[in-house]
Amino acid sequence: DVKVTQSSRYLVKRTGEKVFLECVQDMDHENMFWYRQDPGLGLRLIYFSYDVKMKEKGDIPEGYSVSREKKERFSLILESASTNQTSMYLCASSWRGYSQPQHFGDGTRLSIL
Amino acid sequence: KNEVEQSPQNLTAQEGEFITINCSYSVGISALHWLQQHPGGGIVSLFMLSSGKKKHGRLIATINIQEKHSSLHITASHPRDSAVYICAVEQGGSEKLVFGKGTKLTVNP
Repeated sequence: DVKVTQSSRYLVKRTGEKVFLECVQDMDHENMFWYRQDPGLGLRLIYFSYDVKMKEKGDIPEGYSVSREKKERFSLILESASTNQTSMYLCASSWRGYSQPQHFGDGTRLSIL
Repeated sequence: KNEVEQSPQNLTAQEGEFITINCSYSVGISALHWLQQHPGGGIVSLFMLSSGKKKHGRLIATINIQEKHSSLHITASHPRDSAVYICAVEQGGSEKLVFGKGTKLTVNP
C-alpha cells in the first residue's frame, strides 16, 4: 500500500517565521503535489512537481516555495508566514500520466499566530 | 478554467437510505475522480472514471460525458459512511486535478 507521510499533524508558528512542511512517499511516484484546504473553498493546488528539481506553480503559489531534491521527498516552504496561511495542508503523490489516482497524506493543520 | 460543482453541500440521512451525490463540470475532461475525506483529515481515492459506471461494494459511480455530469451513489448507507465526498476532474492534457468543494454526508443510526 502507498504511504504518504507528512511530518506533522499539527503545527503552530508565529508571523514572519520561515516554516517547512515535509512530505515523504514510499512508492517511487514521479508526481507530488501540495494543496491547501480551507472551509468553503475546497482543495487548491499550491505547487506540483513531476520529477526531482522540477516544479510547476499551481493556483495559489504566492507566499510559498517548494523543494524536491530527492524523488521521495517534497517540501513546502512558507518564506515568511502570515496569518492568512493558517490552513490544512495536504500532500499527495501519483504516477506520471493521465488517470492516475492520487495518494494523500493525513494533512498538517498549520496555525500562524 | 474548469469549474466543478457538487450538490448537495450537506446531506443528512438515516441508516439504510440510498444516497446520491452529484457533480457537474463545465469543460472537456480526461477523467473524473471521487474521493472520501473522513473527519481526521486523510483523503482516500474511491473511484476514477472516464466513462460508464464503476462499483465497489456499496458504492457506485456513474459518469455521463455528454452531459458533463457524474453521480456517486451509496446503497444501504451506514454511519461509517459519514464523511466529506469530493469530486475532482482532470482537464484534458493536464495531470492536475480541479476539485469541487465537497459534500458533507452524515448518516445517523
